[in-house]
Amino acid sequence: EPEVTQTPSHQVTQMGQEVILRCVPISNHLYFYWYRQILGQKVEFLVSFYNNEISEKSEIFDDQFSVERPDGSNFTLKIRSTKLEDSAMYFCASSQELAADTQYFGPGTRLTVL
Amino acid sequence: AQTVTQSQPEMSVQEAETVTLSCTYDTSESNYYLFWYKQPPSRQMILVIRQEAYKQQNATENRFSVNFQKAAKSFSLKISDSQLGDTAMYFCALNTGNQFYFGTGTSLTVIP
Repeated sequence: EPEVTQTPSHQVTQMGQEVILRCVPISNHLYFYWYRQILGQKVEFLVSFYNNEISEKSEIFDDQFSVERPDGSNFTLKIRSTKLEDSAMYFCASSQELAADTQYFGPGTRLTVL
Repeated sequence: AQTVTQSQPEMSVQEAETVTLSCTYDTSESNYYLFWYKQPPSRQMILVIRQEAYKQQNATENRFSVNFQKAAKSFSLKISDSQLGDTAMYFCALNTGNQFYFGTGTSLTVIP
């Protein structure tokens, strides 16, 4: 069964450094998403992406964040200058369609900012 | 604004027994979808069950079923014949269009 994959599983970085989190969505899916989950809190929406552009983003997704689909398979989340409060689990998800469709989640990347 | 509330942070159930996890939500949208996701200790979220708001019939998936009360904006999950592998965090989620809104989760422990 096709799965969403994410790399790395754990990323440790120094405050102020740039990080890129990588995701490979399910191959025939057209919509891609990033969520984050701060330890002990609920999963929060960051951004959705379709047809090579952002379709919706939350207040969390400020100018420090960017997303890109650099090729036909990868979907990346970049944090330009990490802050301590960026420490969280970051989940990538993909779906075939909007709204009705189930989103399939990857295993997550645990980001630790020191 | 969309909100999802799970009022039970932790629950436990004996193996083979039945347990019900509660979820309420709020939305002004007429067309939406509700989901239960399971997040085992390995942390990958897995879809458990899905309900379209326009369908009156409650969704069922093997041992998992929902009680969808649209007027009350309630969407509870019933797990029958609980198994040790059901131990996980369970998230209720609402999708009105482009994103999911998650509840804070219920940590379920199945006791042997």
